[in-house]
Amino acid sequence: DQQVKQNSPSLSVQEGRISILNCDYTNSMFDYFLWYKKYPAEGPTFLISISSIKDKNEDGRFTVFLNKSAKHLSLHIVPSQPGDSAVYFCAAMGQGAQKLVFGQGTRLTINP
Amino acid sequence: DSGVTQTPKHLITATGQRVTLRCSPRSGDLSVYWYQQSLDQGLQFLIQYYNGEERAKGNILERFSAQQFPDLHSELNLSSLELGDSALYFCASRPGPPSGANVLTFGAGSRLTVL
Repeated sequence: DQQVKQNSPSLSVQEGRISILNCDYTNSMFDYFLWYKKYPAEGPTFLISISSIKDKNEDGRFTVFLNKSAKHLSLHIVPSQPGDSAVYFCAAMGQGAQKLVFGQGTRLTINP
Repeated sequence: DSGVTQTPKHLITATGQRVTLRCSPRSGDLSVYWYQQSLDQGLQFLIQYYNGEERAKGNILERFSAQQFPDLHSELNLSSLELGDSALYFCASRPGPPSGANVLTFGAGSRLTVL
């Protein structure tokens, strides 16, 4: 049972444009959401997070939006840069839970 | 460098064998997590330890076991290896209370290839 889903395995965006990565979840007990970025031969690195009490969190070029009623979150990267090319994982955690549940990842490619 | 150290980085072995993967968490972190990433798949949670005790268990096979030692490093033991066990194995750590931080910090992973 895939509780966190990233339905787009890959995304290609022009440099300078906006990248939008999407994530859906099914478990209504999730109350904390994170995005991780992963380069080849490296471990995932934390990018940005959002609590369920908020609907938006911004950090520089990265903004995460949370729509609780739709059980959907998205990561916006503006403007996209070549160094943003990586695999992005959405993850979720429930209150009192000990583990992060990850989506399958979306491979983002930024074209010059 | 994330501060989470995993060894070995690469490991090639044969079916039926046993291997041990090692993880040293970030200084001060009490929780250690193990995740498995098979080819082009997401990260699957295996098991979590907090200050030496098992706290949560995921889809970990009976052939796999783990422990966290008093110095907080952790080992993941994989036995009777099968071809399907070939994967990247990630360790992550997280601060304990009172920080309560929900961010896991990952190591670079151990790539296991079973031939």
